[in-house]
Amino acid sequence: EVQLVESGGDLGQPGGSLRLSCAASGFSFSSYSMSWVRRAPGKGLEWVANINPDGGEKHYVDSVKGRFTISRDNAKNSLYLQMNSLRVEDTAVYYCARGGPASGLDVWGQGTTVTVSS
Amino acid sequence: DVVMTQSPLSLPVTLGQPASISCRSSQSLVYSNGNTYLNWFQQRPGQSPRRLIYKVSNRDSGVPDRFSGSGSDTDFTLKISRVEAEDVGVYYCMQGTYWPLTFGGGTKVEIK
Repeated sequence: EVQLVESGGDLGQPGGSLRLSCAASGFSFSSYSMSWVRRAPGKGLEWVANINPDGGEKHYVDSVKGRFTISRDNAKNSLYLQMNSLRVEDTAVYYCARGGPASGLDVWGQGTTVTVSS
Repeated sequence: DVVMTQSPLSLPVTLGQPASISCRSSQSLVYSNGNTYLNWFQQRPGQSPRRLIYKVSNRDSGVPDRFSGSGSDTDFTLKISRVEAEDVGVYYCMQGTYWPLTFGGGTKVEIK
């Protein structure tokens, strides 16, 4: 069964850091582009970041550039999102999703909740 | 950035009746290879998003055939031929032609 399982969501302080993880199983992880998407409370979906299969190409939404870093470990079938300089507006459920622009986001995890508050 | 505009914001529907959601992009979504990277997602209450349609009109595996996608260039539509109770949720369009990927604001489908 194709599965994505996120972890690492927590309560963080403004200016602080958190690291999200996504464990993939049931497919050839190293063959796929991967993305992070978030949904803030009361708002819609927002794409956050994407990484290509070998990790050599990364893209970010402007609001997280310079603060968030997407990475992957293909040997561990894992995707990561390092979140630094957290802001209150980063509060959201963060989803890991398989795919990117051309392939679309065809498989989603259950989400992990990040709350940024003092 | 490409702005995706959905309408309506809220769509009350009677069970068994059709429903239609519009999605318009601020620029053409036709990529240089001729493909149009427009997707539709469903997010039921308390669940993760699920892709329904990719490249305008291709249904994902397991998606009921009452869901259909159509459109071209900047104007796209998701149709539900006969709404069922399990279709309640928020529907989003998303373009994958340009960076950054962008979603529409969502359309909430509810039963009258």
